[in-house]
Amino acid sequence: GQSLEQPSEVTAVEGAIVQINCTYQTSGFYGLSWYQQHDGGAPTFLSYNALDGLEETGRFSSFLSRSDSYGYLLLQELQMKDSASYFCAVEIYNQGGKLIFGQGTELSVKP
Amino acid sequence: DAGVIQSPRHEVTEMGQEVTLRCKPISGHNSLFWYRQTMMRGLELLIYFNNNVPIDDSGMPEDRFSAKMPNASFSTLKIQPSEPRDSAVYFCASSLGSSNQPQHFGDGTRLSIL
Repeated sequence: GQSLEQPSEVTAVEGAIVQINCTYQTSGFYGLSWYQQHDGGAPTFLSYNALDGLEETGRFSSFLSRSDSYGYLLLQELQMKDSASYFCAVEIYNQGGKLIFGQGTELSVKP
Repeated sequence: DAGVIQSPRHEVTEMGQEVTLRCKPISGHNSLFWYRQTMMRGLELLIYFNNNVPIDDSGMPEDRFSAKMPNASFSTLKIQPSEPRDSAVYFCASSLGSSNQPQHFGDGTRLSIL
């Protein structure tokens, strides 16, 4: 089967850098995605890594290493509005875009 | 452009009643996903459709749950009879269905079964 592990909670201060890790046990996937969910809201897409390495989108970056079965989301210059839950997800081969989600990491940004 | 539209936003009903949740995917998207989210179990995939055809319903918890997609612009998730443990937020999402295409989520239906 497939499973993804994330820390349940992370706390950081405004302006800092935080890294949210995701380790997975799965095979045959296209890529690793990250989604953000504010309390009570819809999950929204942040980033996608199909290949190993770093993808940068503004203050957010995401990394994938298939050989290590590991990825992370890096958030820089943290802002209060970044307080949310962050989910990693893998897209399974030949499943019409089906995603398997991790349990999510709740990020709290303090002043 | 309109995103994924779900209705109702909130539903409160008594156990034993039938509940129908509705979803309109983004036009042109050919994959549709129904999720359930609770504190205990996180975000669970219930069922997904590709080109209106159910592909994987292994996440549907029981026979009380059923889902249909009669056309490309509409899907329903039905619970009959409902039970208190079905209380959760139910999300619908759609995507273009090929690799590297993000899923777009609706705002969800917050369901409470009394």
